[in-house]
Amino acid sequence: GQSLEQPSEVTAVEGAIVQINCTYQTSGFYGLSWYQQHDGGAPTFLSYNGLDGLEETGRFSSFLSRSDSYGYLLLQELQMKDSASYFCAVRPYNQGGKLIFGQGTELSVKP
Amino acid sequence: KAGVTQTPRYLIKTRGQQVTLSCSPISGHRSVSWYQQTPGQGLQFLFEYFSETQRNKGNFPGRFSGRQFSNSRSEMNVSTLELGDSALYLCASSQKGLAGDADTQYFGPGTRLTVL
Repeated sequence: GQSLEQPSEVTAVEGAIVQINCTYQTSGFYGLSWYQQHDGGAPTFLSYNGLDGLEETGRFSSFLSRSDSYGYLLLQELQMKDSASYFCAVRPYNQGGKLIFGQGTELSVKP
Repeated sequence: KAGVTQTPRYLIKTRGQQVTLSCSPISGHRSVSWYQQTPGQGLQFLFEYFSETQRNKGNFPGRFSGRQFSNSRSEMNVSTLELGDSALYLCASSQKGLAGDADTQYFGPGTRLTVL
């Protein structure tokens, strides 16, 4: 089977740095993606790691280690608008465009 | 480019009825996937269509079906609705649905279905 695990909730203060981890058990996949979803909104793509290592996009960075079956999303200089749910997702081999999502991490940013 | 659009945005039905949801992908995108989102189960893959063919299907009963038209617009249908079908139904499109590209999926705002 394939499963991805994330913490259900994370709380941090404005201006801080937060890391959301994603551990997975899956036989093979193309890469690890991260999506952000605000309450009542559509998930929006944040970052993708096809290879091991760090990808940086502005205040957001994402990391993947296939040998450790582990990835994370790092959010820097947190802003109130970063309060949202964050999902990691993988696309398994030979399953077309199907994405398997983690259960999501609800991030609350406090003043 | 316009984003992914879904209609209707909200729907209330009663048990036993059927419902059809519509999704228009981003222009030029040929892959459309559908997901069900509930608080308890998270985002669950329903099916994917590419060039009018169902390419993959998730673990949902046969009451859930879909199709894709030649203009890439897609519909999903749920027959004999059950209370547990209440959820946010999201569709997502990508250009080709292949390695790399398919990992960037563009989601619509969803249809919030409530079954009474």
